Amino acid sequence: DAKTTQPTSMDCAEGRAANLPCNHSTISGNEYVYWYRQIHSQGPQYIIHGLKNNETNEMASLIITEDRKSSTLILPHATLRDTAVYYCIVRPNYGGSQGNLIFGKGTKLSVKP
Amino acid sequence: NAGVTQTPKFRVLKTGQSMTLLCAQDMNHEYMYWYRQDPGMGLRLIHYSVGEGTTAKGEVPDGYNVSRLKKQNFLLGLESAAPSQTSVYFCASNVIGSGVRNQPQHFGDGTRLSIL
Repeated sequence: DAKTTQPTSMDCAEGRAANLPCNHSTISGNEYVYWYRQIHSQGPQYIIHGLKNNETNEMASLIITEDRKSSTLILPHATLRDTAVYYCIVRPNYGGSQGNLIFGKGTKLSVKP
Repeated sequence: NAGVTQTPKFRVLKTGQSMTLLCAQDMNHEYMYWYRQDPGMGLRLIHYSVGEGTTAKGEVPDGYNVSRLKKQNFLLGLESAAPSQTSVYFCASNVIGSGVRNQPQHFGDGTRLSIL
């Protein structure tokens, strides 16, 4: 079972920031928070990941609470092409079976004109 | 730079037929994975490989076999296809973590398989 809880769906106006929440109250000390998205009919695309510090890259920002029990993915200026299912995943920081991704159902983000 | 390439992109099989799905990556990644995705669901891990010549079972391995004879290729086989195996299959790969931060998985665009 996925170790994260996300809202089923969200809407966002084009050009506005999209804030996608994720609860991971049972996260372990060695587990990172990863975000992927899946645009219709395509393979999942990596967005960002972090451990405890906030992270930012060219796609998004990741805000992790101090107790690490929840996080928020921020798309600063959402476009129609950001419409996708967004997956929040926690996983240990190493490969092998322990490092496999466990996908839940994610959040369906709809960006509207 | 092709990344992760899956062939074929689409296939329709009859129950009982066999086939092999091919995943190829050109990033020299050690780890490779096969997932399946059913409508309205997240991805579920079928099998994975931590290096050439090694394979291991994932969450839903029954009815599938895999082989990793070359580092760049990971094959998924269906010996006797069943309607329950109708799904979209995704392959992924990544490098082994350096002990500091694991690298994210890179995914192919999927193979859509229908079993009649």
